[in-house]
Amino acid sequence: GQQLNQSPQSMFIQEGEDVSMNCTSSSIFNTWLWYKQDPGEGPVLLIALYKAGELTSNGRLTAQFGITRKDSFLNISASIPSDVGIYFCAGQKSNGNKLVFGAGTILRVKS
Amino acid sequence: ETGVTQSPTHLIKTRGQQVTLRCSSQSGHNTVSWYQQALGQGPQFIFQYYREEENGRGNFPPRFSGLQFPNYSSELNVNALELDDSALYLCASSLGQGAGELFFGEGSRLTVL
Repeated sequence: GQQLNQSPQSMFIQEGEDVSMNCTSSSIFNTWLWYKQDPGEGPVLLIALYKAGELTSNGRLTAQFGITRKDSFLNISASIPSDVGIYFCAGQKSNGNKLVFGAGTILRVKS
Repeated sequence: ETGVTQSPTHLIKTRGQQVTLRCSSQSGHNTVSWYQQALGQGPQFIFQYYREEENGRGNFPPRFSGLQFPNYSSELNVNALELDDSALYLCASSLGQGAGELFFGEGSRLTVL
């Protein structure tokens, strides 16, 4: 089963609003990644984080690697209709060869 | 576009049958991982192949098996299909043994009736 708790489960926001979502775990991860999945497609990598405390941006997206290594946050500023989709966090352990995914946050944007 | 291609995109099988799914990795990537994504859930790790050998396996029974070829393309085989095998099967390629940054294909949607 899933080891990552992702919240909120879904969001319905107004275009132009900022969005925040997070991912927590009971265990430590050495790498955190955020993916977006559109209907009928595979997940697309948005941001990768490799160091505790790291804050990384990709356009309107900003993600942080929690200092405890047990959580990560993704913020989207000034949302637009094409931000609609499912956002997944994923973690990798230090000696791991797999990603563990959260259950996803469904984002809907009202224009 | 990630450069990872999967086939077929959709298929329907009946319980007890066998299925083979195929994946071509992104150019230059030598590692292929397979994930199963059930409806409404995140992807679950099945296994990874590196240099034609299995390099780690998730909590899936032996009837899930795979291959990697010298050109780094890969196959996922599932025998004795069960209804719960209905899912989106995702292939991801990467460089090196660690999961690192995975680049996913669009997936193969399997329906088992």
